[in-house]
Amino acid sequence: GAVVSQHPSRVICKSGTSVKIECRSLDFQATTMFWYRQFPKQSLMLMATSNEGSKATYEQGVEKDKFLINHASLTLSTLTVTSAHPEDSSFYICSAGRQGTNEKLFFGSGTQLSVL
Amino acid sequence: QKEVEQDPGPLSVPEGAIVSLNCTYSNSAFQYFMWYRQYSRKGPELLMYTYSSGNKEDGRFTAQVDKSSKYISLFIRDSQPSDSATYLCAMSGGGGNKLTFGTGTQLKVEL
Repeated sequence: GAVVSQHPSRVICKSGTSVKIECRSLDFQATTMFWYRQFPKQSLMLMATSNEGSKATYEQGVEKDKFLINHASLTLSTLTVTSAHPEDSSFYICSAGRQGTNEKLFFGSGTQLSVL
Repeated sequence: QKEVEQDPGPLSVPEGAIVSLNCTYSNSAFQYFMWYRQYSRKGPELLMYTYSSGNKEDGRFTAQVDKSSKYISLFIRDSQPSDSATYLCAMSGGGGNKLTFGTGTQLKVEL
């Protein structure tokens, strides 16, 4: 299957700092990438959709200025959590759709963010 | 009412049992149906992918879609302890790849 690489897998930071998470499609070009947030024992909550070369589309209730998403190439999308606070602590997961393939998404391994 | 309903479990079965996992949905526009397996603190892994109604088999896994009843199932035969994970159903109406997920069912296969 296709491979999506997400880095880092775990990050611990101080309150007020910014954290960048990278999502790469290793063996295919991803026109669309998605960022999710997941709380313990809960399902995935879609945060935003990023399309290569255009602005991300954020879901209702997600702060655009808090969660900056960039999709600068067909293989890389980044999520930056700006001025992180303890309530931003969560498991963040990205996914990517192969160009020309409907709906079949592949997920990264996730990033556990802990804000102290 | 949620668009996708899935019993969160936990579901505990003995090794070798047949496991049945299910989701119901309300949006008749959904055409693509998927099952993902997620181990603790890992990203979901795509298990099965089905378009429209019908059955699909892959090894010990069988996915069924009944669009008339808005009901999908995942069967796991000869379940193993390594199958212990959370199983998420997901579906989409097409175009744009935006998926709607169920809450996930936690499965534990015991020795």
